[in-house]
Amino acid sequence: DAKTTQPPSMDCAEGRAANLPCNHSTISGNEYVYWYRQIHSQGPQYIIHGLKNNETNEMASLIITEDRKSSTLILPHATLRDTAVYYCIVRLIIFQGAQKLVFGQGTRLTINP
Amino acid sequence: NAGVTQTPKFQVLKTGQSMTLQCAQDMNHEYMSWYRQDPGMGLRLIHYSVGAGITDQGEVPNGYNVSRSTTEDFPLRLLSAAPSQTSVYFCASRGIRGAETQYFGPGTRLLVL
Repeated sequence: DAKTTQPPSMDCAEGRAANLPCNHSTISGNEYVYWYRQIHSQGPQYIIHGLKNNETNEMASLIITEDRKSSTLILPHATLRDTAVYYCIVRLIIFQGAQKLVFGQGTRLTINP
Repeated sequence: NAGVTQTPKFQVLKTGQSMTLQCAQDMNHEYMSWYRQDPGMGLRLIHYSVGAGITDQGEVPNGYNVSRSTTEDFPLRLLSAAPSQTSVYFCASRGIRGAETQYFGPGTRLLVL
């Protein structure tokens, strides 16, 4: 199973871009990288996912290196409400297209005013 | 759509008592799963199901039973609660086609005395 490594905590100033790194050096060719976040006491919330190419949506951008061994989640203009724990996850294939998400400890991102 | 709903929100049990945590989704998702989250830790997969009548164990299945008689419902049973099962429990669901995202419920906080 591909595992991920993330820094335990990061700080970012409000209004600046928050760049959250993730290493997944054992990722295999058909595994996607997913990012979720968990705001205090709530259920995790999907942010973005990608396979090889960089991805962007209304919440964030995902930059995946060419060798796919690491990725960076970018929150372009962080707000106080972006304070949360961010999880980088590599999707595991079980069978018949089913997958399970294995969560690590994540990065606790604090946005400072 | 209500999404993923969980009941109860809070529960206090005595050691040895049994209870069932309820989870329901109205998105016609095939895949449902249960996670537990302990303080300062990420989510750990307890059990999952890829469709009605099909269940399997996750990372930490001991002490928990599940069943999936319908697509909508995926209850988690604690037959004899132990203090080590004090945790926050999250239910999640997703489709199994492609790279569909996973939706989480609001969680159930369980305290076992």
